[in-house]
Amino acid sequence: DAMVIQNPRYQVTQFGKPVTLSCSQTLNHNVMYWYQQKSSQAPKLLFHYYDKDFNNEADTPDNFQSRRPNTSFCFLDIRSPGLGDAAMYLCATSRERDETQYFGPGTRLLVL
Amino acid sequence: KNEVEQSPQNLTAQEGEFITINCSYSVGISALHWLQQHPGGGIVSLFMLSSGKKKHGRLIATINIQEKHSSLHITASHPRDSAVYICAVSANTGNQFYFGTGTSLTVIP
Repeated sequence: DAMVIQNPRYQVTQFGKPVTLSCSQTLNHNVMYWYQQKSSQAPKLLFHYYDKDFNNEADTPDNFQSRRPNTSFCFLDIRSPGLGDAAMYLCATSRERDETQYFGPGTRLLVL
Repeated sequence: KNEVEQSPQNLTAQEGEFITINCSYSVGISALHWLQQHPGGGIVSLFMLSSGKKKHGRLIATINIQEKHSSLHITASHPRDSAVYICAVSANTGNQFYFGTGTSLTVIP
């Protein structure tokens, strides 16, 4: 059974056109993470929520925003995608900080 | 300088070989994670360690907190073990996560 679900799996957007990526979880975990992974690079943490407490990494561009309307869902909003934002975006959850993270399959974003 | 360094970057092994991937880190940590990523993007968490050693099937992970070093071992390697293995740490200050750049493992039949 899928535990961390990401939609869509592939997303194509135009330069500058806002896009929203979705993540949902059936684990009832407190913590949800968004990572960006570019080709041949390690994942880079963008931000995470501990319950409703939002934690932004210092070098995450302002272009990236996130919403967590409830425990199960978390959204990544890219306000004005640039060509450099084309990447795989991974969502993960953990019951508490510093516990095992469970990853979704990722959404591959292409910016034209 | 990266907070997390992995070695080797690339590794090719014959099926059945014993494999070791190393991870060194420079920050104080509350936990270290070993992740496996197959082609196509799926990431699976293999281990989370804060001390000692853990074993799961053919995989063994060790950590030495004093030396700030961890190793991931694969015994009796198999072609299905071919993947990128990523070491990541949770820093014990500031809710920071740091990732290594990964080790790409190819196991040849």
